Amino acid sequence: GENVEQHPSTLSVQEGDSAVIKCTYSDSASNYFPWYKQELGKGPQLIIDIRSNVGEKKDQRIAVTLNKTAKHFSLHITETQPEDSAVYFCAASTGSSNTGKLIFGQGTTLQVKP
Amino acid sequence: GAVVSQHPSWVICKSGTSVKIECRSLDFQATTMFWYRQFPKQSLMLMATSNEGSKATYEQGVEKDKFLINHASLTLSTLTVTSAHPEDSSFYICSARVEEQYFGPGTRLTVT
Repeated sequence: GENVEQHPSTLSVQEGDSAVIKCTYSDSASNYFPWYKQELGKGPQLIIDIRSNVGEKKDQRIAVTLNKTAKHFSLHITETQPEDSAVYFCAASTGSSNTGKLIFGQGTTLQVKP
Repeated sequence: GAVVSQHPSWVICKSGTSVKIECRSLDFQATTMFWYRQFPKQSLMLMATSNEGSKATYEQGVEKDKFLINHASLTLSTLTVTSAHPEDSSFYICSARVEEQYFGPGTRLTVT
């Protein structure tokens, strides 16, 4: 089955700097790659996603890149702010859009120092 | 985006009792919902896929008789933890998927 590896496990940056989190997946059939932000005691919140027919997607300060050949995808956060501090999870999915299950990475704890 | 709610947000129960957690999609219909379990500082572990009108599909290692899932309507799925024990204490999160997958706020279960 699918396996998703996420690095680093913790990341500390200074406010205003960029943060990059990387994930690799094992199943070449995976076609959907979302990123979630989880704050303490809350459920994950979808922040950006990308599908296998696209190489890059950007939404304001957040961008995701996908390399299907190498089977890895990355989250880029620019101009980080203290409120970006949270745990970030990548995930991969195969199958149809509304029934395919997500396999999650291990999570990255991002700390943005003011 | 789509909104998913969970109730209760936290619950404390005694060992041996059963607890029911509700998951609702508030502004969309979901034929498929998912139940996850998350231990402190760990990732989300998929427990089961809940299918409206049919039996849930459980992941390997998840006891179907202990974690009863019912998906009675297109907007409601329930997870019942039967004969709860302290090791069942965890953060339980549901999700529903339209194009993207949206998560509920989670339910903190503590079994004493």
